Amino acid sequence: EAGVTQFPSHSVIEKGQTVTLRCDPISGHDNLYWYRRVMGKEIKFLLHFVKESKQDESGMPNNRFLAERTGGTYSTLKVQPAELEDSGVYFCASSHPGSPYEQYFGPGTRLTVT
Amino acid sequence: SQQGEEDPQALSIQEGENATMNCSYKTSINNLQWYRQNSGRGLVHLILIRSNEREKHSGRLRVTLDTSKKSSSLLITASRAADTASYFCATNDQGAQKLVFGQGTRLTINP
Repeated sequence: EAGVTQFPSHSVIEKGQTVTLRCDPISGHDNLYWYRRVMGKEIKFLLHFVKESKQDESGMPNNRFLAERTGGTYSTLKVQPAELEDSGVYFCASSHPGSPYEQYFGPGTRLTVT
Repeated sequence: SQQGEEDPQALSIQEGENATMNCSYKTSINNLQWYRQNSGRGLVHLILIRSNEREKHSGRLRVTLDTSKKSSSLLITASRAADTASYFCATNDQGAQKLVFGQGTRLTINP
């Protein structure tokens, strides 16, 4: 069974540009989560989808971040415009509806804003 | 306030020795989980312990949970070089699915 995949693995953009990160969850996992780790800090929750609906977006830092999950399959996280402090590793995770707390993480996308 | 604080922040031991890492948290939880992250890789789920459990084993891993002290420990027995990684505990607040992570413990196994 394929795990959670994320694309790209690494992105380097300039301040003010736009970047879109993609996450493909494990098949059958209705729950999809985004987390990020900025330099030197702990991994922090951004938001949670149940199928295509946003269940909890309390961790989204500001309106420069937009997450979508059209059709309830893969999800995208767009940062527009990117700022220097957005640099870090963005993780996606998914979980099965029967075991929502057991979350399986992707390899992450390392975002560098210069 | 920060949930899931690991102790120590870094640990270096010889191959074959046991490694113990601790985690403290502040709120009431449903579950506590331990994850491993190898350098530059994603988080790998190791073990989940529920709030009504006190101890759980998985291979060379042993996790304990003391809800009265709001703390957990992860013991890795007979450590191997491949165990070198960062280890994170993560908790779920009651009624929430989002995970709250600590800063992690960097474990180095010396050959």
